[in-house]
Amino acid sequence: KNQVEQSPQSLIILEGKNCTLQCNYTVSPFSNLRWYKQDTGRGPVSLTIMTFSENTKSNGRYTATLDADTKQSSLHITASQLSDSASYICVVSPSRGYQKVTFGTGTKLQVIP
Amino acid sequence: DAGVIQSPRHEVTEMGQEVTLRCKPISGHNSLFWYRQTMMRGLELLIYFNNNVPIDDSGMPEDRFSAKMPNASFSTLKIQPSEPRDSAVYFCASTRGETQYFGPGTRLLVL
Repeated sequence: KNQVEQSPQSLIILEGKNCTLQCNYTVSPFSNLRWYKQDTGRGPVSLTIMTFSENTKSNGRYTATLDADTKQSSLHITASQLSDSASYICVVSPSRGYQKVTFGTGTKLQVIP
Repeated sequence: DAGVIQSPRHEVTEMGQEVTLRCKPISGHNSLFWYRQTMMRGLELLIYFNNNVPIDDSGMPEDRFSAKMPNASFSTLKIQPSEPRDSAVYFCASTRGETQYFGPGTRLLVL
């Protein structure tokens, strides 16, 4: 069964600190992996998308890495800000496009002053 | 651009009532998705349209759920009759190319 597991479930960090969120998946075949940020009460917003051949991709202070061999991805947040407080969702797709995707249950990040 | 528009933003109804959720995708986007999000199950894809045609509705939980897209700028998700277990946040999203844009969601509570 295709699964996407994220860890930790929740995380509290001090403003200005870095953090890394993890995503392990068993989806096969594999086409791409996306990270979304979801603020409370809002829809998810795409941060990065990586295909099989990409190892890393950055979007400002967000850097995602992908190891397709071990089926692991991480999202690293540098110099966290209060506005980074949100849920971060890892999504894996077996094909190009958005159908048949498998969602992780997310990591809830809280950045405190 | 206003982004993906959903209405209503909140809906409270009683078990057995019909519920209709509405979505206006971003102009020019040719794919539209309906998702449901709950604490227990996270995000789940319900149905996906491409060029107004339903492509995959395997995520629709049961016959009580139906979705239509009569034109490129409007879609509805209907639940009839509604049940308390349908309580969730329902998102509509549209895509063109690689990026998907979500609406703000409709928070549904069925009593």
